[in-house]
Amino acid sequence: KQEVTQIPAALSVPEGENLVLNCSFTDSAIYNLQWFRQDPGKGLTSLLLIQSSQREQTSGRLNASLDKSSGRSTLYIAASQPGDSATYLCAPRARTDTDNNNDMRFGAGTRLTVKP
Amino acid sequence: EAQVTQNPRYLITVTGKKLTVTCSQNMNHEYMSWYRQDPGLGLRQIYYSMNVEVTDKGDVPEGYKVSRKEKRNFPLILESPSPNQTSLYFCASSLWGQGSGNQPQHFGDGTRLSIL
Repeated sequence: KQEVTQIPAALSVPEGENLVLNCSFTDSAIYNLQWFRQDPGKGLTSLLLIQSSQREQTSGRLNASLDKSSGRSTLYIAASQPGDSATYLCAPRARTDTDNNNDMRFGAGTRLTVKP
Repeated sequence: EAQVTQNPRYLITVTGKKLTVTCSQNMNHEYMSWYRQDPGLGLRQIYYSMNVEVTDKGDVPEGYKVSRKEKRNFPLILESPSPNQTSLYFCASSLWGQGSGNQPQHFGDGTRLSIL
């Protein structure tokens, strides 16, 4: 069964810093990995999706990398802003035998605070 | 606007009183899913559906029921709620079928249930 770990659990940085959030997973047989943002009291917003054949994806100040063989993904946020404060979740989707489920497993998240 | 809509957003109720949380999506997605989110445990899948009249259990289905009579709706039913079902619930949807394996999941804003 896929286990997903996100480190650190919480992170506080001053505005303008570049930062890296880490995600590790135990089963490297994945279809893709998705990074989400969750604001307090809100749902999940998809930030980036990396396919298993890709090494990285970029969207604006965000860059996500994937090292499938070692079971790791990182989310890099450049020039952080107070508006980036949220919880960030990673979710690898497993490649199952029957492929009957969009079988995503979620980490517990990293709670990011960017101070002005 | 593409969205997943859950109702209610908040509900406080008592043990044993049947309740239904509705979920509707306007993206013509085949796949829909319910998750619960608890502190320290992350998101766990309750039930999922790959299309109309096709549903299956996720990781934590006990105490829940679902139905998929129409493509756009996927209600979550708690026949006899208990305090351990107090949680934050999310509905999600995505495309399914050949070629859609790398499509992102879209989430609703969540329903916070408190069972007294």
